[in-house]
Amino acid sequence: DVKVTQSSRYLVKRTGEKVFLECVQDMDHENMFWYRQDPGLGLRLIYFSYDVKMKEKGDIPEGYSVSREKKERFSLILESASTNQTSMYLCASTQGSGAAGNTIYFGEGSWLTVV
Amino acid sequence: AQSVTQPDIHITVSEGASLELRCNYSYGATPYLFWYVQSPGQGLQLLLKYFSGDTLVQGIKGFEAEFKRSQSSFNLRKPSVHWSDAAEYFCAVCGLSGGYNKLIFGAGTRLAVHP
Repeated sequence: DVKVTQSSRYLVKRTGEKVFLECVQDMDHENMFWYRQDPGLGLRLIYFSYDVKMKEKGDIPEGYSVSREKKERFSLILESASTNQTSMYLCASTQGSGAAGNTIYFGEGSWLTVV
Repeated sequence: AQSVTQPDIHITVSEGASLELRCNYSYGATPYLFWYVQSPGQGLQLLLKYFSGDTLVQGIKGFEAEFKRSQSSFNLRKPSVHWSDAAEYFCAVCGLSGGYNKLIFGAGTRLAVHP
């Protein structure tokens, strides 16, 4: 069965801390995504990666960076966490050329609170 | 630019009643359209998708959706709602941005089901 795993489900961090959110998929997918979900705003794309060591900015990349050293792992990094980054973060992956024609599979989400 | 609008933020229905969740999209070419469901505290699960062909698409859990190009709509329907259908529902379109395909989500519709 398809599996996208976000190792940290609930985190509480202090303002200014560096935060790592990890995501692992076991489907050998080329494409991986990080979304942020906020009430009334739906899901907004932060970054995505279409290959190892490759990354592209999404719609809201400010304050975030990513790392993809291995095909199965895509990390989201908050260099200096701020309270406006309190949110639910969703990782996703898909095979092939982006989202067109392919199902995107989502992890269960990481709830981050920045105090 | 591609966009997705879900006009209803909250909907409440009685168990056993029929359901229709609205979705309108903006996209220049033939769209790839998706409906996802998110139960509380969970990631997103794909309900159904439309790529081409028959405009009435059947999905899991008894859901269906109809693609209407003339109305730029992709409304989700279920003839008889169960209490377990209470969740948040997201419509999405696959759009081209910066040379890459990616999913663009609506803001979501939260469904409550009365016994």
